[in-house]
Amino acid sequence: EVHLLESGGSLIQPGGSLRLSCAASGFTFSNHAMTWVRQAPGKGLEWVSTLSGTGTTYYADSVKGRFTISGDNSKNTIYLQMNSLRAEDTAVYYCAKQSDASYDYWGQGTLVTVSS
Amino acid sequence: EIVMTQSPLSLPVTPGEPASISCRSSQSLLHSNGFHYLDWYLQKPGQSPQLLISLGFKRASGVPDRFSGSGSGTDFTLKISRVEAEDVGVYYCMQALQTRSTFGLGTKLEIK
Repeated sequence: EVHLLESGGSLIQPGGSLRLSCAASGFTFSNHAMTWVRQAPGKGLEWVSTLSGTGTTYYADSVKGRFTISGDNSKNTIYLQMNSLRAEDTAVYYCAKQSDASYDYWGQGTLVTVSS
Repeated sequence: EIVMTQSPLSLPVTPGEPASISCRSSQSLLHSNGFHYLDWYLQKPGQSPQLLISLGFKRASGVPDRFSGSGSGTDFTLKISRVEAEDVGVYYCMQALQTRSTFGLGTKLEIK
């Protein structure tokens, strides 16, 4: 059974840094692209970043230069390093497993609150 | 960026009645492989999103057959043949043609 477990969310001051983790199980991790999607309070879904199976990274313009996605195949885990955080980064961050181009499994999400 | 436009944004439905949600993309979602890269997701209250439909028409594993997806080019539709109470939540369409995927604003389905 596929399982994705995010962690690392917390309350952080503007300008601060945070690293999110997503531990995966139940599938061959290295064969799949993995993605972070966020949802601001009361808002819709926003794609943030993707790590392809070949290691290529993609970022939304809103986070480019501030966020870094990475993966550790030995730990079946992806990370999202978030620097220079802004109030508008406040959201629940979900990791999702990709099957082809669709997000077929999602984690339960981790809440990041950027506030002074 | 491909812009996704959903309608309606709110959809009250009587149990047992059909429901339909429309999604329009700002450019064609037709891939060179002949498939349309349009997904539908449902986010039930307090839960993470779940995949319902991929490639515009392909039901995900475990999705009841009362859900169906159709469409081509830039116009797509999600239909529920007979709405049940468990179908409440927000439905999102998403273009998967580009790695930088984009979502519609969502359609909130509620039971009358």
